[in-house]
Amino acid sequence: AQSVAQPEDQVNVAEGNPLTVKCTYSVSGNPYLFWYVQYPNRGLQFLLKYITGDNLVKGSYGFEAEFNKSQTSFHLKKPSALVSDSALYFCAVRDPYTDKLIFGTGTRLQVFP
Amino acid sequence: GAVVSQHPSWVICKSGTSVKIECRSLDFQATTMFWYRQFPKQSLMLMATSNEGSKATYEQGVEKDKFLINHASLTLSTLTVTSAHPEDSSFYICSARGEQTQYFGPGTRLLVL
Repeated sequence: AQSVAQPEDQVNVAEGNPLTVKCTYSVSGNPYLFWYVQYPNRGLQFLLKYITGDNLVKGSYGFEAEFNKSQTSFHLKKPSALVSDSALYFCAVRDPYTDKLIFGTGTRLQVFP
Repeated sequence: GAVVSQHPSWVICKSGTSVKIECRSLDFQATTMFWYRQFPKQSLMLMATSNEGSKATYEQGVEKDKFLINHASLTLSTLTVTSAHPEDSSFYICSARGEQTQYFGPGTRLLVL
């Protein structure tokens, strides 16, 4: 079965420091991978995706993610965190059989001033 | 990026009444839209997949007669919660599929008294 794991419920980082939010996946075939961010009482905002091509994907708001096929990971990164990056982050993979998105459980990112 | 709107953003209703939530893709056409429900501090739960011009496909455990979905055009899908009860109180989020990516609406907070 297809699945996504976000092993950390919460990540704390000081403003200005680099951040990483982890995601691993299990899917048949080539994965379509996505990162979304959710602010309180809001829907999900699309950050970036990996479909094919370069393993390092650049997205919105200075975020990037690295696709690692051997480790089946798609970690979200940012070189310098901002307080305004504090939010809930979801990793997702598209199920190649149903075309539905499968979400991880979410990671809450807290950036401290 | 692609924009998906939802209306209303929040609604309070009495038990037994019906509530309609609209989801629109503003700058792209979406043959497929999705409806999710999100419980506090949890990930998104897919309720149903809506295809323009055809009946929605509901996930297991979701009552199709209670959660009526209509996808009458390529830019509009509606979710009607019929005979709402307090346990239907939740955050409902719609999503529209653009090219290779799902874009999400801002969500509708429903409170049933």
